[in-house]
Amino acid sequence: DIVLTQSPGTLSLSPGERATLSCRTSQSFSSSSLAWYQQKPGQAPRLLIYGASSRATDIPDRFSGSGSGTDFTLTISRLEPEDFAVYYCQQYGSSPRTFGQGTKVEIK
Amino acid sequence: EVQLLESGGGLVQPGGSLRLSCATSGFTFSTCAMAWVRQAPGKGLEWVSAISGSGGSTYYPDAVKGRFTISRDSSKNTLFLQMNSLRADDSAVYYCAKAPPALSQGKYYFDFWGQGTQVTVSS
Repeated sequence: DIVLTQSPGTLSLSPGERATLSCRTSQSFSSSSLAWYQQKPGQAPRLLIYGASSRATDIPDRFSGSGSGTDFTLTISRLEPEDFAVYYCQQYGSSPRTFGQGTKVEIK
Repeated sequence: EVQLLESGGGLVQPGGSLRLSCATSGFTFSTCAMAWVRQAPGKGLEWVSAISGSGGSTYYPDAVKGRFTISRDSSKNTLFLQMNSLRADDSAVYYCAKAPPALSQGKYYFDFWGQGTQVTVSS
């Protein structure tokens, strides 16, 4: 199975700061089949990015995804109060489809 | 508006069975792969099963293979998950998730999620 390792585990930042989240995979997989999701407490996950860099519908442009091969990054250019949440990456290019363990972005 | 509404969760004893349902609306059900993803308390997301839009292809991780069965009824726009031989480590919130239409077979990410149904396996 492909293992996705997200870092850091927790990111403590202030509103307006830039957030950089990493997702590293144990092996490369087909194309850029990587997605990012945001999850707030008590809520279902929300799709942010697919295909490593394509924003989902209605996602603000402060969210961007990049990377290929085994190293992927989610960047939030300027944190808004509503962005403090847990973020998960997911690979869908190889079976079984796997998620990373998550990065929590908390208010400093 | 896309809606996914899970039901069927509850408390079940180890070794027991449960059938989850996910009633959907707001999109063309038969064109979209669907999946179940679970989340144990305080833990991350774990993909549990997926099914193609036609229902002809299903996918399971080793952790549930042979115990869980995913299916869909296009006449009712409903997704199901039959869970047998349940164990304590199957306890989680189970989310129904929809893939965008026309994705390559098995290469699914999820653009809409339900609010989840709680499954607790305990004696």
